[in-house]
Amino acid sequence: QSVLTQPPSASGTPGQRVSISCSGSSSNIGSNTVNWYQQLPGTAPKLLIYSNNQRPSGVPDRFSGSKSGTSASLAISGLQSEDEADYYCAAWDDSLNGVVFGGGTKLTVL
Amino acid sequence: EVQLLESGGGLVQPGGSLRLSCVASGFTFSSYAMSWVRQAPGKGLEWVSAISGSGGSTYYADSVKGRFTISRDNSKNTLYLQMNSLRAEDTAAYYCAKVGRQLAVFDYWGQGTLVTVSS
Repeated sequence: QSVLTQPPSASGTPGQRVSISCSGSSSNIGSNTVNWYQQLPGTAPKLLIYSNNQRPSGVPDRFSGSKSGTSASLAISGLQSEDEADYYCAAWDDSLNGVVFGGGTKLTVL
Repeated sequence: EVQLLESGGGLVQPGGSLRLSCVASGFTFSSYAMSWVRQAPGKGLEWVSAISGSGGSTYYADSVKGRFTISRDNSKNTLYLQMNSLRAEDTAAYYCAKVGRQLAVFDYWGQGTLVTVSS
């Protein structure tokens, strides 16, 4: 049971816009920034979004993040086949004094 | 180019010990916190531990507290994870990660090393 809650799966067709939610509490998302990671099949995770809505260099602007209260969301516009991956949200938790991850969302491009 | 290369994984019996290493290059190692994140087969990511750039502050997940010890040797650009009293549920790929602006920001990851705890 993960501290942050994500839907286990999401899907979309090429060109479509999809959104993945991440729900937490006042001790994590409510008081700290949210980060998103992309894990392509068989590879190590990669930082996709940090500080709620910032993209590292090299990440396409098709990926965007937002946060409101104790929830966050990752949006992917202009969906492409290479976006098929697992996506994880993460945040610092003040009560646990550690990093908490969501359970991950498997994105399928139909 | 930032590179993180883990080693030390393998098969160990329950109750046994193992030490993982992560050699870093391409950045000023001592200036950045580092972390270990694991992933059980077919499961999601789980944060394990973090250490400040100086090594003076350490953080652990409750699941490993008292059994695992994170440390670093800045003269060797190397991060370690000493794992004692290993359990079957510790079986996972262990990733070394460079910490970015905040402790939950992992901006570079290693390729991972597999630890299997089984009799």
